[in-house]
Amino acid sequence: KAGVTQTPRYLIKTRGQQVTLSCSPISGHRSVSWYQQTPGQGLQFLFEYFSETQRNKGNFPGRFSGRQFSNSRSEMNVSTLELGDSALYLCASSLVGADSGNTIYFGEGSWLTVV
Amino acid sequence: GESVGLHLPTLSVQEGDNSIINCAYSNSASDYFIWYKQESGKGPQFIIDIRSNMDKRQGQRVTVLLNKTVKHLSLQIAATQPGDSAVYFCAEPYNNNDMRFGAGTRLTVKP
Repeated sequence: KAGVTQTPRYLIKTRGQQVTLSCSPISGHRSVSWYQQTPGQGLQFLFEYFSETQRNKGNFPGRFSGRQFSNSRSEMNVSTLELGDSALYLCASSLVGADSGNTIYFGEGSWLTVV
Repeated sequence: GESVGLHLPTLSVQEGDNSIINCAYSNSASDYFIWYKQESGKGPQFIIDIRSNMDKRQGQRVTVLLNKTVKHLSLQIAATQPGDSAVYFCAEPYNNNDMRFGAGTRLTVKP
């Protein structure tokens, strides 16, 4: 069974540009969440989607957005990139939701560097 | 606010020794905890989880202990191997997949 797949793995963008990251969850998983990981802030929750609806959102500015498609695949978008957006962006999936006792599984992440 | 935190940022052990990584949590209502391992350049990998109705749970070479009285959990790794070198996080589901992670402990295994 394939794990959580994220693309692209590495990318470099210029300040002011926008970026779209893609995530394919484990087959059968309907909940997809996104995290930002930086050395200074650790792992921080961005948002979570279930059945194409955003159920929960972390404390990030509106430049960070996401969506989920009917096949549970998800994308996140960051507009007007800032240097501080340089981070590892992780996608995770679970059957329903971690607070239901479902384990969430992470992908390998997308490394974003903003220059 | 409620948080999940780790006692030590780094831990260095000899190959073959047992490792113990600690984690404190503040939300007494938490009923599910997960340990993740993250190797350099990779995403967090699920290791083991435990529910609040348990005090101990064992996996392959790993054991998680939960002490609800002092709101503390630990991850024990038996016969630590070089491949165990990584950052270990404890995590607590807050709301759906909003997981609250500790800062992480970097485990280094010396040959």
